[in-house]
Amino acid sequence: DTGVSQDPRHKITKRGQNVTFRCDPISEHNRLYWYRQTLGQGPEFLTYFQNEAQLEKSRLLSDRFSAERPKGSFSTLEIQRTEQGDSAMYLCASSPILTGGLYGYTFGSGTRLTVV
Amino acid sequence: AQRVTQPEKLLSVFKGAPVELKCNYSYSGSPELFWYVQYSRQRLQLLLRHISRESIKGFTADLNKGETSFHLKKPFAQEEDSAMYYCALIDDYKLSFGAGTTVTVRA
Repeated sequence: DTGVSQDPRHKITKRGQNVTFRCDPISEHNRLYWYRQTLGQGPEFLTYFQNEAQLEKSRLLSDRFSAERPKGSFSTLEIQRTEQGDSAMYLCASSPILTGGLYGYTFGSGTRLTVV
Repeated sequence: AQRVTQPEKLLSVFKGAPVELKCNYSYSGSPELFWYVQYSRQRLQLLLRHISRESIKGFTADLNKGETSFHLKKPFAQEEDSAMYYCALIDDYKLSFGAGTTVTVRA
């Protein structure tokens, strides 16, 4: 297990296109989180899963954003009809249930989205 | 709502000098606070946790509930400490981050 993996590392898309990012968490981690980071800001929480259940999604930025974790393993984050303001780094993190985030999250390297 | 403030965007120090990164928070309850670090071209990683009261890579951080602060300190900065540092607070499951401080340690 090499930690949290995110794919792709970079994505350039035209405005109006749909994009999907994938995150593979550490296998024994039940919780998975998505964050967005824009230039000069800290990561901003978007949503999180406990196993396959999406327990918090009110912070998703608009109804163009959706996330899934169908079998409680990997997760996908989709942005429909992308806008230039969606350009950012999208981070995934995971943690075990028992400790929650108290021992920290493990972050992936992120997917950098550029909307042109 | 919880909030984390890092007032300094940039901090430049000489090698061997002390460094202190400021972090203030607002939270209704007993906060659990963290410092995360991101070195150039690496992923965000945990540096230290308030609950552990540990020293990592020479860094320490003390929670001051009276001043609602969790400042990060190191007595003698090294060039390898150059990085982006984020203070974060956890509320149940969710980490909330400050905007970060870029630290540059000059030789």
